[in-house]
Amino acid sequence: GAGVSQSPSNKVTEKGKDVELRCDPISGHTALYWYRQSLGQGLEFLIYFQGNSAPDKSGLPSDRFSAERTGGSVSTLTIQRTQQEDSAVYLCASSAGNGNTIYFGEGSWLTVV
Amino acid sequence: RKEVEQDPGPFNVPEGATVAFNCTYSNSASQSFFWYRQDCRKEPKLLMSVYSSGNEDGRFTAQLNRASQYISLLIRDSKLSDSATYLCVVSRGSTLGRLYFGRGTQLTVWP
Repeated sequence: GAGVSQSPSNKVTEKGKDVELRCDPISGHTALYWYRQSLGQGLEFLIYFQGNSAPDKSGLPSDRFSAERTGGSVSTLTIQRTQQEDSAVYLCASSAGNGNTIYFGEGSWLTVV
Repeated sequence: RKEVEQDPGPFNVPEGATVAFNCTYSNSASQSFFWYRQDCRKEPKLLMSVYSSGNEDGRFTAQLNRASQYISLLIRDSKLSDSATYLCVVSRGSTLGRLYFGRGTQLTVWP
């Protein structure tokens, strides 16, 4: 497809388990973002990748969260030892990095029970 | 102080009404400004960029006041389909970098 693709679209996991969320950005986009949004809340920045530069990890809420981007394309967000407060929709977005539009995926809806 | 502040609303207006949303940002070094629209349980989508001279796209007009660090969105002749949450978005870099989102202003247009 032409858009940002995220998987899984929905994930229910038990507290304490690890989860991996995947993002496949638009082909050729050099910038990739992860945000999360809790129910009824605004978007919370997590991490930003731009080309080969060091990622901006300043938004990761704890050391249980990590993300990588392999080959400048697909990104994986990993949450270790999930907690109930991690329940949210995790949104990935990408842009051509030229100051124009960023495009969001449909999100991965995570529920920790 | 939050990077981007918006009146959360909700705004409830009849069809055909004109409605205005305001947004303030805290960092004077901010360079890029946008309005995004988010429908219920959907991802945000770009509505329009905001330029220094102000810009219009059909029924939508965006204004930027750098001196006051203030951004506005005006919607004329509201349609039922305009019902959504409108997100004010700011970036410090000319090539975007990290984007700062306001919490959004909820709009409901009723028939």
